[in-house]
Amino acid sequence: DTEVTQTPKHLVMGMTNKKSLKCEQHMGHRAMYWYKQKAKKPPELMFVYSYEKLSINESVPSRFSPECPNSSLLNLHLHALQPEDSALYLCASSRQGGTGELFFGEGSRLTVL
Amino acid sequence: GQSLEQPSEVTAVEGAIVQINCTYQTSGFYGLSWYQQHDGGAPTFLSYNALDGLEETGRFSSFLSRSDSYGYLLLQELQMKDSASYFCAVSESNDYKLSFGAGTTVTVRA
Repeated sequence: DTEVTQTPKHLVMGMTNKKSLKCEQHMGHRAMYWYKQKAKKPPELMFVYSYEKLSINESVPSRFSPECPNSSLLNLHLHALQPEDSALYLCASSRQGGTGELFFGEGSRLTVL
Repeated sequence: GQSLEQPSEVTAVEGAIVQINCTYQTSGFYGLSWYQQHDGGAPTFLSYNALDGLEETGRFSSFLSRSDSYGYLLLQELQMKDSASYFCAVSESNDYKLSFGAGTTVTVRA
């Protein structure tokens, strides 16, 4: 199983809503990532969890809250988002750091109204 | 900080060879990766170079020169399905941070 699975694929939410994005991998990878990607732009790193601990937070606003319940699961909790937060949110995993090889999910396309 | 530069667009015909260059300026350097992303799809890992030289994987090859802070991705025998965005990405250390270049859109014409 070499897949990273993300749900939901599409999400529309209002600025006052609370929602969550979910990510799952069963490759035994110990690092999991959240990236944000706008149209025609590269992925931008948001958070990294290694061994279920938050190791990198790229100064992301607190309206985005990551959670890693176990080594296979990664969530991104969303609250009070702004329309400019509309983007593709990509989850990824890797065996270890420094190899440059990330396995990405298909992403959750978020629209904030 | 860090910066990666790659061309924004390349167009070529089926069967041709395309080279996508990537130059980088980073505070540290551990390795250079390449990713392919089709419209509406996920980025897919293509290659990783930590040492100088050429790595070949089928029709795609990747090259790195650490002394020149430069690498390239070579796409040979282009096929229509190779039309996609290609990103170079730098690992600055052996932690988990991977920084992407702006991407190169490759369009393959019949």
